[in-house]
Amino acid sequence: GIQVEQSPPDLILQEGANSTLRCNFSDSVNNLQWFHQNPWGQLINLFYIPSGTKQNGRLSATTVATERYSLLYISSSQTTDSGVYFCAVEFQTGANNLFFGTGTRLTVIP
Amino acid sequence: DTEVTQTPKHLVMGMTNKKSLKCEQHMGHRAMYWYKQKAKKPPELMFVYSYEKLSINESVPSRFSPECPNSSLLNLHLHALQPEDSALYLCASSQGVIVVPYEQYFGPGTRLTVT
Repeated sequence: GIQVEQSPPDLILQEGANSTLRCNFSDSVNNLQWFHQNPWGQLINLFYIPSGTKQNGRLSATTVATERYSLLYISSSQTTDSGVYFCAVEFQTGANNLFFGTGTRLTVIP
Repeated sequence: DTEVTQTPKHLVMGMTNKKSLKCEQHMGHRAMYWYKQKAKKPPELMFVYSYEKLSINESVPSRFSPECPNSSLLNLHLHALQPEDSALYLCASSQGVIVVPYEQYFGPGTRLTVT
């Protein structure tokens, strides 16, 4: 069946450390987005990245569509990076339905 | 401006109440969405409106009734809810459901508690 799995489920980092979050998906996609959900519930767009590589400040993302995975890199982490990171995909077979992954809960400690 | 607004931020209602959630966007987007998120779970799609017409209803119980009065506004009418309907309700919008790219932008959510 349709699956979007993220790893690791939980991650604790010291401030300043780097991390890599992974998203595996079970089928071909039209759309892949990475979000950061802050403690108040707001979903913040990080990347729209169905394929290729993008960078925005300390964050970068790579999607290898042919191998059905995406990676989110966080460098020099800060306490404000804490929260839950979701990848969400629209499968080619499931028009307009954005499926969210299981999420990675990141805690950055000072 | 990529802002989607939602009101109210918090809502507590009894099982016999009728209430409405409101969502608004002024980005000229033609697709709008309602998602439900239970605690420690990912958001799940409830409804999709495309060009003010309901295009997807993910088998949501009839006690949830969506309405799209115009291209900028999306409502979710609530009636006879159950305590298990307590959740964060998120609204989103995107340029369209046919146009690519199709990035969705989310509002801050309404945290609903049913007593």
